[in-house]
Amino acid sequence: AQSVTQLGSHVSVSEGALVLLRCNYSSSVPPYLFWYVQYPNQGLQLLLKYTSAATLVKGINGFEAEFKKSETSFHLTKPSAHMSDAAEYFCAANMDSNYQLIWGAGTKLIIKP
Amino acid sequence: NAGVTQTPKFQVLKTGQSMTLQCAQDMNHEYMSWYRQDPGMGLRLIHYSVGAGITDQGEVPNGYNVSRSTTEDFPLRLLSAAPSQTSVYFCASSYSGANTGELFFGEGSRLTVL
Repeated sequence: AQSVTQLGSHVSVSEGALVLLRCNYSSSVPPYLFWYVQYPNQGLQLLLKYTSAATLVKGINGFEAEFKKSETSFHLTKPSAHMSDAAEYFCAANMDSNYQLIWGAGTKLIIKP
Repeated sequence: NAGVTQTPKFQVLKTGQSMTLQCAQDMNHEYMSWYRQDPGMGLRLIHYSVGAGITDQGEVPNGYNVSRSTTEDFPLRLLSAAPSQTSVYFCASSYSGANTGELFFGEGSRLTVL
């Protein structure tokens, strides 16, 4: 079955440190890939998306993600974490349908002062 | 600039009661959808619609009904609430669907079924 796997339900980093959130997908065909962010008690909003153009995708708030076909990965990074980055991050993929995304379970990012 | 509006934000039901979660968008999006979010399970698609008069089932449709009489509105009906339906529900819309288009989410409706 097609799936999206996010490694780590919680990731804790110090303010100013590198943020790395991992996402792997299972599909023989490169899908469209998305990262969404959810701040406490809010809906989700799009951070960035990969739709088969450039493999390095830049998003909002200084985040970027790199699509690696050989590793079936789409990891999210940010060079320097801010306290305001504390949120839950979801990776999602559209593999074979125009209307349905497959979602990862989410990773809660904790920023230590 | 309202975007996607969900009501109510919080609701407590007793087992067997019915209710409707409302969703309205003012962006003229053809695609609308309902998700439920449960801890550790990401988002699961309940129902979706690609335009007025057209609806289809998602991953977890049992116990829920939808209709789409206008482009703007996409209500979700719980027919006979069960404790397993305790969740946070999100409505999301998109101009062109979920494949390349950005999904715009409401702020969620938190439902507790006792």
